[in-house]
Amino acid sequence: GPKVLQIPSHQIIDMGQMVTLNCDPVSNHLYFYWYKQILGQQMEFLVNFYNGKVMEKSKLFKDQFSVERPDGSYFTLKIQPTALEDSAVYFCASSFDREEQYFGPGTRLTVL
Amino acid sequence: GDQVEQSPSALSLHEGTGSALRCNFTTTMRAVQWFRKNSRGSLINLFYLASGTKENGRLKSAFDSKERYSTLHIRDAQLEDSGTYFCAAEAFYNQGKLIFGQGTKLSIKP
Repeated sequence: GPKVLQIPSHQIIDMGQMVTLNCDPVSNHLYFYWYKQILGQQMEFLVNFYNGKVMEKSKLFKDQFSVERPDGSYFTLKIQPTALEDSAVYFCASSFDREEQYFGPGTRLTVL
Repeated sequence: GDQVEQSPSALSLHEGTGSALRCNFTTTMRAVQWFRKNSRGSLINLFYLASGTKENGRLKSAFDSKERYSTLHIRDAQLEDSGTYFCAAEAFYNQGKLIFGQGTKLSIKP
């Protein structure tokens, strides 16, 4: 099936630093999403993005978070500055329309 | 907030048998997806339903928006079906936000 890639698979950074998580969505998809999963907890929605704009975001999408997809390249999630509670696995997803979403394998972020 | 309650949390089946997983919703959902998490932690798409039922091999899923539930039926279970299964649903008033269930850990025994 369609594949979503995420780079890197693991990232370890010090608290207060900036981190950018990269997602390579399915090539013809138009809608992009980030989800967050803390160890032992359910996957939770962060944000979705369409036509260069954030469409919807949850309360987990703090002011320190931002998303963009410059020139149709990677869809990125930037956290600046990072906090300890940002440690989690972040999953990117994409969909052609607002229907079936395809997920990447996740990026495990550890904030020390 | 809106929730997706998935049951059972764990299920053990012998090869060749079958069972059903269920997700109940606290609000009317527009659509549901079912996934299986593979050994590397990736979510594999099983079904997307906006209504009715779909079948794929030994798996069959149903979604009733009005009654607020979805099911995933597995028949003739095989060892490779082992894994964790998730449902995720989108409420009508959302714009693509999926709300995930807690997952069902399925173990298939010889």
